[in-house]
Amino acid sequence: QKEVEQNSGPLSVPEGAIASLNCTYSDRVSQSFFWYRQYSGKSPELIMSIYSNGDKEDGRFTAQLNKASQYVSLLIRDSQPSDSATYLCAVNNNFNKFYFGSGTKLNVKP
Amino acid sequence: GAVVSQHPSRVICKSGTSVKIECRSLDFQATTMFWYRQFPKQSLMLMATSNEGSKATYEQGVEKDKFLINHASLTLSTLTVTSAHPEDSSFYICSAARGGGNEQFFGPGTRLTVL
Repeated sequence: QKEVEQNSGPLSVPEGAIASLNCTYSDRVSQSFFWYRQYSGKSPELIMSIYSNGDKEDGRFTAQLNKASQYVSLLIRDSQPSDSATYLCAVNNNFNKFYFGSGTKLNVKP
Repeated sequence: GAVVSQHPSRVICKSGTSVKIECRSLDFQATTMFWYRQFPKQSLMLMATSNEGSKATYEQGVEKDKFLINHASLTLSTLTVTSAHPEDSSFYICSAARGGGNEQFFGPGTRLTVL
């Protein structure tokens, strides 16, 4: 079983819609959770971090964490074509060990 | 901010040569730096974790004698690919974690092509 699992996609949404990206993790002691965006040919860029259960909002992005279900999600409101990228979920188990999912490719269609 | 730079951004070399890639944290001290490799259309693969002043910890399957990592200061880590071969051609990305922080900040990556 992989430490972090993501659906590889592609996830296609029309411009202006809400894109919902999901991630599950296997290590219950994980404490820190991150979403990175990676454009083709570029390195990952941190867009959200979340540490406690519930929702965290930053502009058009909302991260949701449910530690009981070992589930993290990222919602992108009013999706734009520029949001088209691969989104990586990452988990830190507090031993400075980061685990990345394989990423979900998002396509936002104009 | 938290800016990480890498140099060079792109390198082409002949088979058998060695290539050194530098990773620098420009505006913070990085107690831990990570080196990743990414093949086309695949996810990040962690190669090794390095802490300033100590030996790097390599992931299973990564040859430590081939991929030499030095983390000599809190702002600089280097990865040397020794005796590079075409199968080492890949996108190498470093990241740095601030002391006491949980977030990783990535450098822009180095695209290595071995002919």
